[in-house]
Amino acid sequence: KAGVTQTPRYLIKTRGQQVTLSCSPISGHRSVSWYQQTPGQGLQFLFEYFSETQRNKGNFPGRFSGRQFSNSRSEMNVSTLELGDSALYLCASSGGGRQETQYFGPGTRLLVL
Amino acid sequence: AQTVTQSQPEMSVQEAETVTLSCTYDTSESDYYLFWYKQPPSRQMILVIRQEAYKQQNATENRFSVNFQKAAKSFSLKISDSQLGDAAMYFCSITGTASKLTFGTGTRLQVTL
Repeated sequence: KAGVTQTPRYLIKTRGQQVTLSCSPISGHRSVSWYQQTPGQGLQFLFEYFSETQRNKGNFPGRFSGRQFSNSRSEMNVSTLELGDSALYLCASSGGGRQETQYFGPGTRLLVL
Repeated sequence: AQTVTQSQPEMSVQEAETVTLSCTYDTSESDYYLFWYKQPPSRQMILVIRQEAYKQQNATENRFSVNFQKAAKSFSLKISDSQLGDAAMYFCSITGTASKLTFGTGTRLQVTL
């Protein structure tokens, strides 16, 4: 099976802009989770989508949002970008059952200037 | 809330030797799963091993094994016959009833000749 894919892999934006990141899960997986990784804060959970519904949410401001499509692909959007949003954004997919193993994509590196 | 603590920021091991990475956690849930993920320079998170909390038997995956001490809330990873390809950041993580992973701060493992 193909693994989790994320696009784009690298992105450079300026403050105030918005950005959309995409994640395609492993075929058959219905849950997609998003994580932010920064040197200062480490790995932090953003949110999880299952069957097109947000099932869990982390402690991030409303500028961070996401959605999931009927084919389980997910997008994450960050509006009004700030310098502190520069990070590696990781997407992970699982079958959808609680506590199932999550498999990660290669990540999207976002640099905000 | 769940927390994960990795007290060893860096570890070094010689090729073919054995190394143990430490991890302690805290959770109020009775049903949880523990994971070790590896993040090489490519930044992709790769599952190393998984342990169900209800299982007393320690998980093993080829050269990787864990020492799961539930009462002490300890979950260490032992890598036997270390190889150059094992060099990476290793993250300990936990998930409970909500499908979100909480990660430790990571241990950077160096493998020397």
